Amino acid sequence: QSALTQPASVSGSPGQSITISCTGTSSDVGSYNLVSWYQQHPGKAPKLMIYEGSKRPSGVSNRFSGSKSGNTASLTISGLQAEDEADYYCCSYAGSSTFDVVFGGGTKLTVL
Amino acid sequence: QVQLQESGPGLVKPSQTLSLTCTVSGGSISSGSYYWSWIRQPAGKGLEWIGRIYTSGSTNYNPSLKSRVTISVDTSKNQFSLKLSSVTAADTAVYYCARMFIVVGRGNWFDPWGQGTLVTVSS
Repeated sequence: QSALTQPASVSGSPGQSITISCTGTSSDVGSYNLVSWYQQHPGKAPKLMIYEGSKRPSGVSNRFSGSKSGNTASLTISGLQAEDEADYYCCSYAGSSTFDVVFGGGTKLTVL
Repeated sequence: QVQLQESGPGLVKPSQTLSLTCTVSGGSISSGSYYWSWIRQPAGKGLEWIGRIYTSGSTNYNPSLKSRVTISVDTSKNQFSLKLSSVTAADTAVYYCARMFIVVGRGNWFDPWGQGTLVTVSS
C-alpha cells in the first residue's frame, strides 16, 4: 500500500481559510471509505480532528471541516489562528478485506 | 475517559527484539467494539501504522512489517503489547499506541493516542 499524497506545506494568515488535500486511489480514499484527519503539534501525540470524512469529535472547533471528491479528501480550516500551526495527517483504510491502514505524508501548516 | 500509556526500553540493540506495552486506563480494554493499534513515527517523518489487535486476539499487520511484528493482548492487565524482531536503525522512532475504530463503509480512526515513547536502535 502507498502513502496518501498530501502537500508538504501550506500557509495562511490569521483569519484566513486554508485547505489541505489528501489524494489516494479508488482502493482507499476513493472507495466508500471516509478519511480521518489528525493534528500534531511538535513533540506531541496526534489528535483526532475529523472522522468519517466530515464529523468532528467533541471539543474540536467547528472551524475544522472535512470533505471528499473522488479520490481526494480535504481538510479546511477557517478563521486561522496561531494555535492551528501544526502538522496535519490524513488516514484511510486500504482494502475492504484486511482494512490495512495508510496515512498521508503529512502537511506542515504555517500561520503567517 | 480512556487514556493510554506506552512503556518499555528506550534503547534496543540492532538485531534484537523491541518490546513495548500499552496500558489502558479509564475503561476496560475488552468493552466495546474497539481495536487497539500501534503506530510509529521516525524523527521528522510521517506516521506509519504497524498493526492492530481485537480483544479476541485477532490481528492485522502492515504488510511491510508483517514478518517481524507480533501484537498481543492481556485483558486481565488491561494491556496490549508490541514485539518487533530483528530491529535495525531504521526502526528508531517514537512509538504510539492508540484505540482504533473501524466502521465498515464509513472509515477508520484513532482516538485517543498515548503520549508516545522514543525507541532508539543502537549498539
